[in-house]
Amino acid sequence: TQLLEQSPQFLSIQEGENLTVYCNSSSVFSSLQWYRQEPGEGPVLLVTVVTGGEVKKLKRLTFQFGDARKDSSLHITAAQPGDTGLYLCAGEKNQGGKLIFGQGTELSVKP
Amino acid sequence: EPEVTQTPSHQVTQMGQEVILRCVPISNHLYFYWYRQILGQKVEFLVSFYNNEISEKSEIFDDQFSVERPDGSNFTLKIRSTKLEDSAMYFCASKLQFFSYEQYFGPGTRLTVT
Repeated sequence: TQLLEQSPQFLSIQEGENLTVYCNSSSVFSSLQWYRQEPGEGPVLLVTVVTGGEVKKLKRLTFQFGDARKDSSLHITAAQPGDTGLYLCAGEKNQGGKLIFGQGTELSVKP
Repeated sequence: EPEVTQTPSHQVTQMGQEVILRCVPISNHLYFYWYRQILGQKVEFLVSFYNNEISEKSEIFDDQFSVERPDGSNFTLKIRSTKLEDSAMYFCASKLQFFSYEQYFGPGTRLTVT
């Protein structure tokens, strides 16, 4: 069974703090995607990483794909209340195939 | 910006009834997917569809489930005889082509089986 483990599952921080969310697996993925999901809505794509060691930045969010393409991280700098939400990582093992999702990280940023 | 749409947003049905969940993928996308998310659990893959055929299906996608692309725009998921455990959010997703990585999700249909 291919698993993606996210940690932490819950994170509550103050506005202005930095945080990192991790997504780990024992399997190699051809790509890894990060989504954000609001309650009762569908996942919204934030970024896709494809190459081992790749780093992508989206404003205050930095995404990294591990060198071996088995893990990824999401780092948020100076978190804001608007960052509150559920962050999901999802890996694609074979190009064209299904996405395997992690269980998500519920982030709460308090003003 | 093009987006995936799904109808209805919420469907309530009685156990044993048939339901059809509808999706309109992004217009020039070629790959289509259904996923589901039981409350409090991970998003799970159900089925992928390309060129009017199922490409891959999960163990969840048994004989009670079927998918169809009845015309050039709609993509449907049918559950023939719903069970209580089918209650979940069902998400449709689409992808541009085989060499694309990004899957774009619809807002979901909340299915409640009573």
